[in-house]
Amino acid sequence: DTAVSQTPKYLVTQMGNDKSIKCEQNLGHDTMYWYKQDSKKFLKIMFSYNNKELIINETVPNRFSPKSPDKAHLNLHINSLELGDSAVYFCASSQGRSGSRSYNEQFFGPGTRLTVL
Amino acid sequence: KNEVEQSPQNLTAQEGEFITINCSYSVGISALHWLQQHPGGGIVSLFMLSSGKKKHGRLIATINIQEKHSSLHITASHPRDSAVYICAVSLHTQGGSEKLVFGKGTKLTVNP
Repeated sequence: DTAVSQTPKYLVTQMGNDKSIKCEQNLGHDTMYWYKQDSKKFLKIMFSYNNKELIINETVPNRFSPKSPDKAHLNLHINSLELGDSAVYFCASSQGRSGSRSYNEQFFGPGTRLTVL
Repeated sequence: KNEVEQSPQNLTAQEGEFITINCSYSVGISALHWLQQHPGGGIVSLFMLSSGKKKHGRLIATINIQEKHSSLHITASHPRDSAVYICAVSLHTQGGSEKLVFGKGTKLTVNP
């Protein structure tokens, strides 16, 4: 069974469109994350949710809106796509609880390669 | 300047060689992670450590908290070790949440 899954794996779309990427984890973890990996392979955190609550938002444009219907799912919706949004987006999860100040291994999804034309 | 610096950026080795990848960080951390990104793109957590040394198979990770430095060693390297190795540090936000800050990665190529 896949621990952290993302769909789709590849997404090619035109500038200005709206698209969503879905993420699901079956590890029973409390915390989920979205990361962006740019063309130079540099990873950066975008958002973190703990038990459906947004806890980290790293100055991401508000065209990006994460949604967590339950603690096993964290979806990423992107409005008005721009060329600079082309990247690989990784979802991850960990057992961390908000406020616990613990550190935890993170489990990554396979990534979604978004190409904006 | 990035909070997490890795060296070297690129590393080519012959099969069987001993490999060392270094990571330095400039902030107070709660833990340090070593990740492996396969050529196919998937990311796997290799180690998470806050002190001392950990070993898993041919891989060894060490950390010196006072010097803010960590190393990843691969003994008897093999072509299947070819990947990008990424160092990341765990920081806690004001609310107590954990976030990872990443180095730029070291691309390792092991030739047969």
